[in-house]
Amino acid sequence: EPEVTQTPSHQVTQMGQEVILRCVPISNHLYFYWYRQILGQKVEFLVSFYNNEISEKSEIFDDQFSVERPDGSNFTLKIRSTKLEDSAMYFCASSEEGTSPGYEQFFGPGTRLTVL
Amino acid sequence: GQQVMQIPQYQHVQEGEDFTTYCNSSTTLSNIQWYKQRPGGHPVFLIQLVKSGEVKKQKRLTFQFGEAKKNSSLHITATQTTDVGTYFCAGWGGGNKLTFGTGTQLKVEL
Repeated sequence: EPEVTQTPSHQVTQMGQEVILRCVPISNHLYFYWYRQILGQKVEFLVSFYNNEISEKSEIFDDQFSVERPDGSNFTLKIRSTKLEDSAMYFCASSEEGTSPGYEQFFGPGTRLTVL
Repeated sequence: GQQVMQIPQYQHVQEGEDFTTYCNSSTTLSNIQWYKQRPGGHPVFLIQLVKSGEVKKQKRLTFQFGEAKKNSSLHITATQTTDVGTYFCAGWGGGNKLTFGTGTQLKVEL
């Protein structure tokens, strides 16, 4: 069964450093998403991406964040200058379509980011 | 912005007891999805509800979408240990953004 993959599974970085989280969505999917989940809390939407551009972003997704689809398979989230509060699990998700009636989103296993 | 709240935050039940989680949105939703997240895992899609008043069943799970499309519920009959996890509702309010609820963590004791 096709699945979303994410690398690395765990990333430890120093405050102020740049990190790139990588995702390989399911191959025939068209919509891609990043979410984050601080330990024990809810899943928070960061950004959605379609047709090589951002279709929607949350207030969390400020100038320190960027997304890119550098080739036909990878989807990346870059955090330019990490802060302690960026420590969280970051999930990538993909779906065949996006808005209502909506399609299910398939989530990757996540990357746990720890900022020291 | 749109907020989606769930109650209760935690629920401990004995195996065999029923469980219900309630989801309330601050705005009308075009549709609502439910996801389950096992401890240490990622969200996994369970179901989507689109129509006002819609009720769907999956074995022991019953999902309902409110008439005003602002609330939803998930009911599990006769819980099992495999039901352990956090259940999230997630709503599409418009645009390409899925807003997750605060989640209900279910623990099932033998």
